[in-house]
Amino acid sequence: DAKTTQPNSMESNEEEPVHLPCNHSTISGTDYIHWYRQLPSQGPEYVIHGLTSNVNNRMASLAIAEDRKSSTLILHRATLRDAAVYYCILRESSGDKLTFGTGTRLAVRP
Amino acid sequence: DAGVIQSPRHEVTEMGQEVTLRCKPISGHDYLFWYRQTMMRGLELLIYFNNNVPIDDSGMPEDRFSAKMPNASFSTLKIQPSEPRDSAVYFCASSFEGAQYFGPGTRLTVL
Repeated sequence: DAKTTQPNSMESNEEEPVHLPCNHSTISGTDYIHWYRQLPSQGPEYVIHGLTSNVNNRMASLAIAEDRKSSTLILHRATLRDAAVYYCILRESSGDKLTFGTGTRLAVRP
Repeated sequence: DAGVIQSPRHEVTEMGQEVTLRCKPISGHDYLFWYRQTMMRGLELLIYFNNNVPIDDSGMPEDRFSAKMPNASFSTLKIQPSEPRDSAVYFCASSFEGAQYFGPGTRLTVL
């Protein structure tokens, strides 16, 4: 499985934007970039995914580098409820299997 | 839709007992996954099914673990006999076209 590299932890202030980076230098041309988050005492939650183009949904935006070797999850206005572990995962186009790493633990300061 | 449903939410059992965890996926989803999460090992994929057929069980720790999906709306994960090292949170997830949706998990404690 292609690997991703994320910072162990990040901090943000409430109501400010947050940019969560992810490096995936060994990504193949058909791998999708997925982001999930896990709030305390809950199961992981799907956030967003993309292949080549930037993606937006009601939760976040995904910015994908032109060479696809890195991506950034953007939370436009952090709230206290966004404090969670954020996982960046590569999914092969041939299946739905995901391999979770250790993710980035995001703390949001009031 | 109610989302992925798991039962029980909490299970406490004694070593050597059989444990059965249950999952009802989201209707219309064609993939079902079983994961285990511990502090030491993080979130691990145990097994997954596509259209009720097991596709990859390489993550199942040993023969004490078994999983079935008799129909599109139900799956079980069984541990027999259970051991203290099986204590973890077990998640079920289902997916359609890539995005996985997780249940609330079953917290298993084996004494």
